[in-house]
Amino acid sequence: DAGVIQSPRHEVTEMGQEVTLRCKPISGHDYLFWYRQTMMRGLELLIYFNNNVPIDDSGMPEDRFSAKMPNASFSTLKIQPSEPRDSAVYFCASSPSSSGANVLTFGAGSRLTVL
Amino acid sequence: QKEVEQDPGPLSVPEGAIVSLNCTYSNSAFQYFMWYRQYSRKGPELLMYTYSSGNKEDGRFTAQVDKSSKYISLFIRDSQPSDSATYLCAMAIGGSYIPTFGRGTSLIVHP
Repeated sequence: DAGVIQSPRHEVTEMGQEVTLRCKPISGHDYLFWYRQTMMRGLELLIYFNNNVPIDDSGMPEDRFSAKMPNASFSTLKIQPSEPRDSAVYFCASSPSSSGANVLTFGAGSRLTVL
Repeated sequence: QKEVEQDPGPLSVPEGAIVSLNCTYSNSAFQYFMWYRQYSRKGPELLMYTYSSGNKEDGRFTAQVDKSSKYISLFIRDSQPSDSATYLCAMAIGGSYIPTFGRGTSLIVHP
């Protein structure tokens, strides 16, 4: 398996622009997570899905952030409009239900810079 | 106070040293404890997974959990420059619960 695949790896955009980050989880994994990592705050859970259904989005900072999972093999995280404080590395991770929700496999991350 | 506390470091050691990385936590309901390793510009990867108290060994790595003190440790024996990375602890209440991560400790092993 190719692992969790994220795109783009790097994104530089200007304040106010829409940003869409994409994730393909490992086939057969029932859980999908979106995290944000910064030096100041570490790894923060934004939202997670179970069987394509959003379970907990309490970590989403504000209405500018939205996430979807239209099918078992694809998810997006959208920021509209983007702001400089959204600059961070965004990770997608997936986990099989057989191991509960503890054992996460992370993608390589999408590094977002908002100017 | 955050649920999981971890000193960000950096911790710098010479090659061959024994390294001790630690986390403290406040939620006594945590039962599952994990260590993830994150190389620069990569995603975290699971290194060790333990349940409840006690020790678990895997090669040069030993994970230790002391639930009475709410304290977990990761020991690395004979540290190598390739061990240079950020180590994040994580813990969960149950098998189906989402883990809570520490901020990570940056480890540098110099030749």
